[in-house]
Amino acid sequence: DGGITQSPKYLFRKEGQNVTLSCEQNLNHDAMYWYRQDPGQGLRLIYYSQIVNDFQKGDIAEGYSVSREKKESFPLTVTSAQKNPTAFYLCASSYRGSSQPQHFGDGTRLSIL
Amino acid sequence: QKEVEQDPGPLSVPEGAIVSLNCTYSNSAFQYFMWYRQYSRKGPELLMYTYSSGNKEDGRFTAQVDKSSKYISLFIRDSQPSDSATYLCAMSAQNTDKLIFGTGTRLQVFP
Repeated sequence: DGGITQSPKYLFRKEGQNVTLSCEQNLNHDAMYWYRQDPGQGLRLIYYSQIVNDFQKGDIAEGYSVSREKKESFPLTVTSAQKNPTAFYLCASSYRGSSQPQHFGDGTRLSIL
Repeated sequence: QKEVEQDPGPLSVPEGAIVSLNCTYSNSAFQYFMWYRQYSRKGPELLMYTYSSGNKEDGRFTAQVDKSSKYISLFIRDSQPSDSATYLCAMSAQNTDKLIFGTGTRLQVFP
């Protein structure tokens, strides 16, 4: 079955630690996205990538980093510079173009220890 | 003012009711409109997708877009307890890869 796999489902971060969230898709989509979801705030775009080896900052990129070395994979690192990392993180992918809907994984919930 | 406004709810209805969920927006450049359904602790699932103005029906779901009023709606007929979820509207303009999301409306359908 084609889809988007996010792992782990739950993640805990200690103070001063970087953590990496995994996102893999087998839908042959070119574009991939990372969102953060907080209660009452909807989805906020962190980073997105339209093509391998290229990515752009979204609305709340500070404290996060990404890489796009393979078409199928778009890992997100939450760095120690992100002071309020507790949230639900969602990865999405789509074909390129403004008319293309995005498809989502089932998220990773990150909490602070 | 947010680009997309959506009433957060919760909206609580009895089983079998017709549900109306709505979003308003301010950017007249938006052309592509989507509705997503999100169950608790899950990712959003694409429910409906429409282009420009008009209606689209899929089973018990109907999506309406009124570009002149900058208003979109999702109607759910014969609502079921399994429809209990958060519903997110999303939209995008031509020549952009970004989707703009509403904050979501939480719907509860009780038996």
